[in-house]
Amino acid sequence: DAGVIQSPRHEVTEMGQEVTLRCKLISGHNSLFWYRQTMMRGLELLIYFNNNVPIDDSGMPEDRFSAKMPNASFSTLKIQPSEPRDSAVYFCASTPTGENYGYTFGSGTRLTVV
Amino acid sequence: SQQGEEDPQALSIQEGENATMNCSYKTSINNLQWYRQNSGRGLVHLILIRSNEREKHSGRLRVTLDTSKKSSSLLITASRAADTASYFCATDAHGQNFVFGPGTRLSVLP
Repeated sequence: DAGVIQSPRHEVTEMGQEVTLRCKLISGHNSLFWYRQTMMRGLELLIYFNNNVPIDDSGMPEDRFSAKMPNASFSTLKIQPSEPRDSAVYFCASTPTGENYGYTFGSGTRLTVV
Repeated sequence: SQQGEEDPQALSIQEGENATMNCSYKTSINNLQWYRQNSGRGLVHLILIRSNEREKHSGRLRVTLDTSKKSSSLLITASRAADTASYFCATDAHGQNFVFGPGTRLSVLP
């Protein structure tokens, strides 16, 4: 298995543009998490899905952020419109259902909004 | 507020020495995990320890958990330059999702 795959690895965009980040889960994993990492705030959970259903989106900073999981293996995180303060590294992670498994993280997308 | 916090924030040691990092948390947990993050990479799961366990080993890694003190430690023995990374603990307060601490930056000098 290739692991959790995120694309793109780097994204530079202008303020006001729409940004879409993509994540492919490991086959058989049922839970999907989107995190944002910055120097100031560390690793923050944005939203998580269980069996394609959003369970907790309380970490999504505002309505400009939206996430979808159209099928069991793929998820997108969209920011529209983007702002410079959205600049961060965005990670997705997946895990099998159950509390005794570690998370498998993707390599992240480094987003820079100028 | 942060559920788990690592201590120290940064640690610098010589190759071959042992490195100890600590994690303290506030509320009861079901599980605690340790992760490593190399610069520019995603987090890598190291060890999960359940609340009814006191110690776990994996290679040169040793994790302890003291639920009475709400603390855990990660010991890396015989450190190598390749161990240079940030180390995070993650706790599931009341069995909910794992929350990550701010991390300890470990530098192993050759």
